[in-house]
Amino acid sequence: DAKTTQPNSMESNEEEPVHLPCNHSTISGTDYIHWYRQLPSQGPEYVIHGLTSNVNNRMASLAIAEDRKSSTLILHRATLRDAAVYYCIHSEGAQKLVFGQGTRLTINP
Amino acid sequence: NAGVTQTPKFQVLKTGQSMTLQCAQDMNHNSMYWYRQDPGMGLRLIYYSASEGTTDKGEVPNGYNVSRLNKREFSLRLESAAPSQTSVYFCASRLQGFGTDTQYFGPGTRLTVL
Repeated sequence: DAKTTQPNSMESNEEEPVHLPCNHSTISGTDYIHWYRQLPSQGPEYVIHGLTSNVNNRMASLAIAEDRKSSTLILHRATLRDAAVYYCIHSEGAQKLVFGQGTRLTINP
Repeated sequence: NAGVTQTPKFQVLKTGQSMTLQCAQDMNHNSMYWYRQDPGMGLRLIYYSASEGTTDKGEVPNGYNVSRLNKREFSLRLESAAPSQTSVYFCASRLQGFGTDTQYFGPGTRLTVL
């Protein structure tokens, strides 16, 4: 089974950068790395995804290790609205995303 | 553009009762998914449908059936509810292609089985 490992929880301060790590040592060469986040009492929402090279979008950046066995989600300037559970996922085959338990991110004012 | 909608939002069942959870998307996506999320846990895939007319089992399919009624709708049925099926159920649709791979989730159905 596709498996990722993330810290259970992390804490940061408002307006500071946040680096959320993820290990995915079983990833295959064609599996994308996806990040989703889940705000309280809501469904998950897409954050970013990538294959080999680093990716940026308006929400975050994704830094992927050269061997692809780990990645880091970077929130450049955290706000209170970024407090959520962040899931690092890699696909299992073409259709399945296998969610782990995620990292609960707390942002201090 | 409503995205992914789910009905009902809340439901309480007695053990042995049956019900169908409804999901619809208006984004013309081919793939749709049903997940469950138990307290403090991540999501687990129940069933998915890669395209209209096809369905496949996910990680935890036992006790559930699905129907992909058309491209828009994907329903999840519990034939004989059990307390172990108490959970929050999320439906999602997926957009893939041209560097895009994004699942869009509905707001969830909170199901309690007594």
